[in-house]
Amino acid sequence: GAVVSQHPSRVICKSGTSVKIECRSLDFQATTMFWYRQFPKQSLMLMATSNEGSKATYEQGVEKDKFLINHASLTLSTLTVTSAHPEDSSFYICSASLVRGLDSPLHFGNGTRLTVT
Amino acid sequence: GDSVTQMEGPVTLSEEAFLTINCTYTATGYPSLFWYVQYPGEGLQLLLKATKADDKGSNKGFEATYRKETTSFHLEKGSVQVSDSAVYFCALQRGAQKLVFGQGTRLTINP
Repeated sequence: GAVVSQHPSRVICKSGTSVKIECRSLDFQATTMFWYRQFPKQSLMLMATSNEGSKATYEQGVEKDKFLINHASLTLSTLTVTSAHPEDSSFYICSASLVRGLDSPLHFGNGTRLTVT
Repeated sequence: GDSVTQMEGPVTLSEEAFLTINCTYTATGYPSLFWYVQYPGEGLQLLLKATKADDKGSNKGFEATYRKETTSFHLEKGSVQVSDSAVYFCALQRGAQKLVFGQGTRLTINP
């Protein structure tokens, strides 16, 4: 079946540095990718939707200059957390959709645990 | 706006017990409904789904029926196993493939 690979699985960085997280669709072309954030013991909150070749659409309250999303190809989307702070520590999960459509299944990566010290 | 409410956890059961995790939703129109499972340290896996009223989704012994009259999609399993221990998320999808998740229910099954 479809596989989404997310890398790295864990990352620890110092405050003020930037971290890039990659999300790849391994055996299908993903026209749309989604980035979620999950706080401990809480649900997933959609951060942004990225479509290949166009700008990402950010959810209300998400700083687009802090969370840079690039979806340059049909198999790769990246999330860069710029000037990270301890409050950015969280579990970030990407998902990918094969085609545009209301009933297209989403495939999730295994997530990236970011710890900012 | 759209929202999903799940029963609060954590839920702890003994092996072979009957499981119900309640899920209700608020949405306009006719959303698709999903249950996702998250094992420790992993991302989400689709467990089952239903796309219209009265549909029953099933997988791995789990079942859920889309009840429009009660706006519910309760997850059930007749006999749980230790390997079912995970966090379960109810979710709805309405347009543009945006998923709205419930808060998640942590399930622990003791041998």
